[in-house]
Amino acid sequence: GESVGLHLPTLSVQEGDNSIINCAYSNSASDYFIWYKQESGKGPQFIIDIRSNMDKRQGQRVTVLLNKTVKHLSLQIAATQPGDSAVYFCAENTNDYKLSFGAGTTVTVRA
Amino acid sequence: ETGVTQSPTHLIKTRGQQVTLRCSSQSGHNTVSWYQQALGQGPQFIFQYYREEENGRGNFPPRFSGLQFPNYSSELNVNALELDDSALYLCASSSQGNFNEQFFGPGTRLTVL
Repeated sequence: GESVGLHLPTLSVQEGDNSIINCAYSNSASDYFIWYKQESGKGPQFIIDIRSNMDKRQGQRVTVLLNKTVKHLSLQIAATQPGDSAVYFCAENTNDYKLSFGAGTTVTVRA
Repeated sequence: ETGVTQSPTHLIKTRGQQVTLRCSSQSGHNTVSWYQQALGQGPQFIFQYYREEENGRGNFPPRFSGLQFPNYSSELNVNALELDDSALYLCASSSQGNFNEQFFGPGTRLTVL
């Protein structure tokens, strides 16, 4: 079964606001946690990853936070834009070849 | 640089039939992974190929099989199709040692009637 899961299946955000997407995991042996974005009709697209020995990593307009104490992962998107509307998946890499994906959160950006 | 391509885009089969899906990996990538994505779910790992050998497998029965060719393109074969095999099949390529960043194709939508 899945070892990563998302807290909320949907999220509606006002354009320009910050978005926070949450994910819980159960496998403490994961080496990496990764966020992917899937737009309608497309395959998932890599956003950012974080190694399990890190707490925070920043990319362009995105920040991933990892709380190993409560086994929680979050993706923060700054100044959300209409192009950020998509399904967001958290995933974990435990075996160096297999990615295990959660069920996804659908983010809708309101104009 | 050419991205990951998959063919066909859509396919309709009946129970018991066999299907072959194809994938061309991104230029420079030697590793191909296949995923099954049911409607409203996250992708589920089927297997991975590296240097023409299966490099790992998820919880899928043996009727799911694959191949990788010298040019790193790949095929997914499914025998004895079942209704539950209806899904989006995604191919992803990556470079060895960077499995976190996989480059996905648009997928093949398989419908089994």
